Amino acid sequence: TQLLEQSPQFLSIQEGENLTVYCNSSSVFSSLQWYRQEPGEGPVLLVTVVTGGEVKKLKRLTFQFGDARKDSSLHITAAQPGDTGLYLCAGGIQGAQKLVFGQGTRLTINP
Amino acid sequence: ETGVTQTPRHLVMGMTNKKSLKCEQHLGHNAMYWYKQSAKKPLELMFVYNFKEQTENNSVPSRFSPECPNSSHLFLHLHTLQPEDSALYLCASSQRDRVGNTEAFFGQGTRLTVV
Repeated sequence: TQLLEQSPQFLSIQEGENLTVYCNSSSVFSSLQWYRQEPGEGPVLLVTVVTGGEVKKLKRLTFQFGDARKDSSLHITAAQPGDTGLYLCAGGIQGAQKLVFGQGTRLTINP
Repeated sequence: ETGVTQTPRHLVMGMTNKKSLKCEQHLGHNAMYWYKQSAKKPLELMFVYNFKEQTENNSVPSRFSPECPNSSHLFLHLHTLQPEDSALYLCASSQRDRVGNTEAFFGQGTRLTVV
């Protein structure tokens, strides 16, 4: 069974601070996605990384895929209250059209 | 209308009721999924359909019965549920890209409460 562990599970910081969320596994994934989910809504895809070592930036968000394609990180610079939400990582399984999800990191940015 | 649409958004049902959740995708994708999201648990994959054929059933109890009449529509029929089945039920669709990667697009979910 392929599992993804996210840390921390909860994070509450002040507006303007930086933060990093981690997604780790002992398994290799063909791709890694990050989603953000707001209360009462479904997850929304933020980014997909597919190559070991790949780095993608989305405004103040930086996503990195580990060299061995077993882990990923999400770094937010100068966090804003609008960044509040549940962040989910999901790994793509080679040869199967499905994703394995981590348990999520609930992020709260206080004004 | 675009994306993935789920109805109803909220549902309260008794343990002896029969109800159905509906999902429709307007993205031209070839795969559809049902996920269950409970508090403090990762998203649990329930069922996968590829080109209308069920390709995965993750040991889901028979009180949940999926139906996929075509590649754009997916239903989840519910009967004799238990209170612990209360959760957010999410539908998603995907289209495998040229190199075999999968990106899921989710509906807004149905918040189900079993009383």
